[in-house]
Amino acid sequence: EVQLLESGGDLVQPGGSLRLSCTTSGFTFGSCAMSWVRQAPGKALEWVSGISGRGDATYYTHSVKGRFTISSDNSESALYLQMNSLRAEDTAVYYCAKAIQYSKSGIDFWGQGTLVTVSS
Amino acid sequence: QSVLTQPPSASGTPGQRVTISCSGSSSNIGSNTVNWYQQLPGTAPKLLIYTNSQRPSGVPDRFSGSKSGTSASLAISGLQSEDESDYYCAAWDDSLNGLVFGTGTKVTVL
Repeated sequence: EVQLLESGGDLVQPGGSLRLSCTTSGFTFGSCAMSWVRQAPGKALEWVSGISGRGDATYYTHSVKGRFTISSDNSESALYLQMNSLRAEDTAVYYCAKAIQYSKSGIDFWGQGTLVTVSS
Repeated sequence: QSVLTQPPSASGTPGQRVTISCSGSSSNIGSNTVNWYQQLPGTAPKLLIYTNSQRPSGVPDRFSGSKSGTSASLAISGLQSEDESDYYCAAWDDSLNGLVFGTGTKVTVL
């Protein structure tokens, strides 16, 4: 059974930093691309960032480029998102998500999400 | 900043058929496969349809997907009360080099 468990969400001030983690099990971690997707309160889903199975290719939505960094540790079957220079508009539930195979194939499994609140 | 356009709402009575559209462009739906997700209130999304029209195991055959050109559709036949949920389409966008989601559609069972 595929399981994805996010952690690290918190209340942080504008301009602050936060690191999200996602521990996984139930599949061969390095064989699938992974993504972070967020959902602001009452809003639609928004893809944030993705990484290839081997970790050699990363992708970001325009609004987080230069501020967020996605990484993975295949030995730990874990996914991370380092978030710097946080803004109020980054407030959302952040989901860790597993790709069907490649990034282009889309997502098949989701974690339960972790809440990030950016506010003074 | 959703790139794929869906109607904000759809509704039907139990047993009816409801269809949700998803409109995109040549750089996303026109070039790549479409997935559909169901999101019940307060929960994580769940994969409903992948590769335009395939159902994962466990998804009832009441749910079906199709794609034509730069648009896709999700149909729910034999609507049931438990189908009341938000639905999202998604596809890779070659111009943005990222995954794009639809604006979301709230389905209400009358």
